[in-house]
Amino acid sequence: QSVLTQPPSASGTPGQRVTISCSGSSSNIGSKFVYWYQHLPGTAPKVLIYNNNQRPSGVPDRISGSKSGTSASLAISGLRSEDEADYYCAAWDDSLSGWVFGGGTKLTVL
Amino acid sequence: EVQLVESGGGLVQPGGSLRLSCAASGFTFSSYDMHWVRQGTGKGLEWVSGIGTVGNTHYAGSVKGRFTISREDAKRSLYLQMNSLRAEDTAVYYCASGDGGWNYWGQGTLVTVSS
Repeated sequence: QSVLTQPPSASGTPGQRVTISCSGSSSNIGSKFVYWYQHLPGTAPKVLIYNNNQRPSGVPDRISGSKSGTSASLAISGLRSEDEADYYCAAWDDSLSGWVFGGGTKLTVL
Repeated sequence: EVQLVESGGGLVQPGGSLRLSCAASGFTFSSYDMHWVRQGTGKGLEWVSGIGTVGNTHYAGSVKGRFTISREDAKRSLYLQMNSLRAEDTAVYYCASGDGGWNYWGQGTLVTVSS
């Protein structure tokens, strides 16, 4: 049972917009920055969003992050086949004094 | 070019010990917090432990008291001493760091705990 809750799966067709939710609490998302990572099997995870809604250089602007209260969302528009991967949200948790990840969402491009 | 290279993984019996290493290059190692993150087979990412630039440490509850993280800035190296290993510690272990999220990751080292 992960501290941050994500849907286990999401899907969309090429060109569509999909969103992935991440629900937490006041000790993590509610008071700390949220980060989003993309993970492809056999490779190192890649940061897509930091500080709730900031994109590192090289991450396209069709990828965006938002936060409201104790929840956060990752949106991917103009869906492409290469977006098929696992996506994780993460945040620092003050109660646990540690970083916590969501359980991950497997995105399928139909 | 930034590189993080993990080593030290392998097969160990339950109750045994293993020491992982992560060699860093291409960035000012001493200026960055460093972390260990793992992924068990068929499971999601799990943060294991982190160490700050001044040596302050944090651990996930699942490993507290069994794992010890350390760093040697002069050698640009991060370590994870893992004791009292359990089957559920079986995973690929990554070292990670960066600014603006963890944008530096190694390729991972596999730890298998089995008799």
